[in-house]
Amino acid sequence: DAKTTQPPSMDCAEGRAANLPCNHSTISGNEYVYWYRQIHSQGPQYIIHGLKNNETNEMASLIITEDRKSSTLILPHATLRDTAVYYCIVRSDGSSNTGKLIFGQGTTLQVKP
Amino acid sequence: KAGVTQTPRYLIKTRGQQVTLSCSPISGHRSVSWYQQTPGQGLQFLFEYFSETQRNKGNFPGRFSGRQFSNSRSEMNVSTLELGDSALYLCASSFREAGELFFGEGSRLTVL
Repeated sequence: DAKTTQPPSMDCAEGRAANLPCNHSTISGNEYVYWYRQIHSQGPQYIIHGLKNNETNEMASLIITEDRKSSTLILPHATLRDTAVYYCIVRSDGSSNTGKLIFGQGTTLQVKP
Repeated sequence: KAGVTQTPRYLIKTRGQQVTLSCSPISGHRSVSWYQQTPGQGLQFLFEYFSETQRNKGNFPGRFSGRQFSNSRSEMNVSTLELGDSALYLCASSFREAGELFFGEGSRLTVL
């Protein structure tokens, strides 16, 4: 699975959009981009994933560049409860890799009032 | 629908002892994977079970083992505990062969 690079920390004002970048320049054609977050002392929570098209769900939007070498997770209206560590993970979704995620250090997002 | 349940939530052991942690996946989920989280190493994959068979294994010593039962519940065991085994142990389950994992709240192990 390809390696990802994320900034270690970011701040965001409450109510504003939080844009979290991720670089995955060695991503291969069959690898998906996944985002999880971990609020302090809880288990990681799935946010969104995509292959090459932009994706949106009730939690966030995922923008993947055309060359797929980077992506951005967007939380449209950040709240204090969005303060967490955000992990960008690249993985292939073959049957042999189902439960295996390679976590990096992630980005600590601090939402401030 | 109930989430992933892990027991116990907290436990304290001493060096040399062994520990067994339990994970009940979401109903209908057949894949269960385990992770260790420490401040120094972050989240690391331990192993994954699917239909009672270990399908993937991370880079951990043989003291770490696991199993899965026919009802998909899983246990992991750590023998001859070391101080460095103090960590949050997380279990995750998934329904299909691709897609998202659902994590439990974890079992926090302290080794004294």
